[in-house]
Amino acid sequence: DAGVTQSPTHLIKTRGQHVTLRCSPISGHKSVSWYQQVLGQGPQFIFQYYEKEERGRGNFPDRFSARQFPNYSSELNVNALLLGDSALYLCASSLVGQVRTEAFFGQGTRLTVV
Amino acid sequence: DAKTTQPPSMDCAEGRAANLPCNHSTISGNEYVYWYRQIHSQGPQYIIHGLKNNETNEMASLIITEDRKSSTLILPHATLRDTAVYYCIVRGLTGGFKTIFGAGTRLFVKA
Repeated sequence: DAGVTQSPTHLIKTRGQHVTLRCSPISGHKSVSWYQQVLGQGPQFIFQYYEKEERGRGNFPDRFSARQFPNYSSELNVNALLLGDSALYLCASSLVGQVRTEAFFGQGTRLTVV
Repeated sequence: DAKTTQPPSMDCAEGRAANLPCNHSTISGNEYVYWYRQIHSQGPQYIIHGLKNNETNEMASLIITEDRKSSTLILPHATLRDTAVYYCIVRGLTGGFKTIFGAGTRLFVKA
């Protein structure tokens, strides 16, 4: 089985631009979460989606948005990029939105804002 | 979700057991303890989780104290490939199923 796949793997954008990151969960997984990881820190929770609805949101500005599609894949959108948005963006999927189920992470998208 | 405290770094000799501690003194009764690790520039990898009983799988063992305020992840025979950042996480049913990562413990396995 394929794991969680994210695209693109690397991306360079200019300040003020918009970016869309994509995530395909493991087959059968209906919950997708997004995390931002700045160099030297642990991943910071951004969003969780389950059954196409937002189930949780971290402390991120409204420039960050996401959605989940009927096939459970997900997109993370960031508008008006800032230099501080440079980070590794991680997507995780889990079987259902339950605490007993572990989350599986993709390899991430490395975003550099210049 | 309860907060966790971990030492920032630890060393371990190759072939020896690596014991990584985690303090979660504010854990509540329905919260589980999870461990993940992250090898440089890769996504975090699930290791093990538990509620109150000790757990063991092919990767590691998890020892949770009786009061559940702390736990220890044990890698029985550490290899160089176990060098990574190890995250201890407490997850509950409230808060929209979000998972809060701390700074983790950077484990260096030395030959």
